[in-house]
Amino acid sequence: EPEVTQTPSHQVTQMGQEVILRCVPISNHLYFYWYRQILGQKVEFLVSFYNNEISEKSEIFDDQFSVERPDGSNFTLKIRSTKLEDSAMYFCAYGRGTNQPQHFGDGTRLSIL
Amino acid sequence: SQQGEEDPQALSIQEGENATMNCSYKTSINNLQWYRQNSGRGLVHLILIRSNEREKHSGRLRVTLDTSKKSSSLLITASRAADTASYFCATDLYSGGGADGLTFGKGTHLIIQP
Repeated sequence: EPEVTQTPSHQVTQMGQEVILRCVPISNHLYFYWYRQILGQKVEFLVSFYNNEISEKSEIFDDQFSVERPDGSNFTLKIRSTKLEDSAMYFCAYGRGTNQPQHFGDGTRLSIL
Repeated sequence: SQQGEEDPQALSIQEGENATMNCSYKTSINNLQWYRQNSGRGLVHLILIRSNEREKHSGRLRVTLDTSKKSSSLLITASRAADTASYFCATDLYSGGGADGLTFGKGTHLIIQP
């Protein structure tokens, strides 16, 4: 079983709506990541989060995306105004820093209509 | 090729045979990792090899890294039907911050025939 729980497992949303994807780690970790995987394509890095701040972000992570850890437990990814091309699997992961593996949740399948 | 490209794209072998997958990358790395993904599931970490290491073992898995050729291989010995999955290599480019995003390849889809 993965050590992070992602909710919901599947989200269907109308284009232009906001979505919030959630990740709940079982243990207390410092480094968190969001990735996405468009159907049939490679897993792409979006953003990393450390000590309650964004540490690194990719070109994909533009102004429509935001992350936060509002209560010290849940780690969320918000997409403000969804587009059709945002349809993908979104994976949360945690790690323990440099030269350490990252551990992934089972993902949220986001379908934009 | 892009950073982290695996070959072959698909591999089908008989149970009990060995499976070898290769990964090539373009830029310098801090470490290289291999992950497995079963259909509809998240990625499961298999093994991490640092840039100063050449070979690493974990159970039936053997990973090699050749930084001069910018390539890595994953060998699964005595394959089982349960090994059927997609396998990805991922590189950590090390930006110095500790929370480095990984760059994944497109993966090798491995099918083990019973």
